[in-house]
Amino acid sequence: KAGVTQTPRYLIKTRGQQVTLSCSPISGHRSVSWYQQTPGQGLQFLFEYFSETQRNKGNFPGRFSGRQFSNSRSEMNVSTLELGDSALYLCASSPQRGTQYFGPGTRLLVL
Amino acid sequence: TQLLEQSPQFLSIQEGENLTVYCNSSSVFSSLQWYRQEPGEGPVLLVTVVTGGEVKKLKRLTFQFGDARKDSSLHITAAQPGDTGLYLCAGARKTSYDKVIFGPGTSLSVIP
Repeated sequence: KAGVTQTPRYLIKTRGQQVTLSCSPISGHRSVSWYQQTPGQGLQFLFEYFSETQRNKGNFPGRFSGRQFSNSRSEMNVSTLELGDSALYLCASSPQRGTQYFGPGTRLLVL
Repeated sequence: TQLLEQSPQFLSIQEGENLTVYCNSSSVFSSLQWYRQEPGEGPVLLVTVVTGGEVKKLKRLTFQFGDARKDSSLHITAAQPGDTGLYLCAGARKTSYDKVIFGPGTSLSVIP
């Protein structure tokens, strides 16, 4: 099976802009989770989607949003970008419960 | 509140040495995973343990799940430079859908 794919791999934006990141899970996996990873904060949970519904949400402001499509592909959107949003954004897919499999991540740099 | 703790936070050793890293919690997990992450890449799954007291071996890596399913250890024998990376543990908590919680990681550097 193909692994989790994320696009784009790298992105440079300026403050105030918005960005959309995409994630395609492993075939058959219905759960998709998003994480933000920075050197200072480590891996922080953003949200999880299962069957097009947000099942769990982390402690991030409303500027961070996501959605999942009927084919389990997911997108996350960050509006009004801030310098502190620069990070590696990771997507992970899993079967209904248990182990998560990560994509390579999208490296976002906000200038 | 950090529900999963990892120690040590940083570890720098010479090639050929042995090491153990730890993952601890006050919570019981239905399963626990170990990942290795290299800079700029996503974490790669190494192992999943599900039974209290379970020991799994992956070449020079030995993983153990505590009897009470609250803690785990990863032991590396004869470390090599290729073992360098961030080691993350993640526990799946027993909820209706096994919510996953990640530890802060142990950053390992193996010097040739």
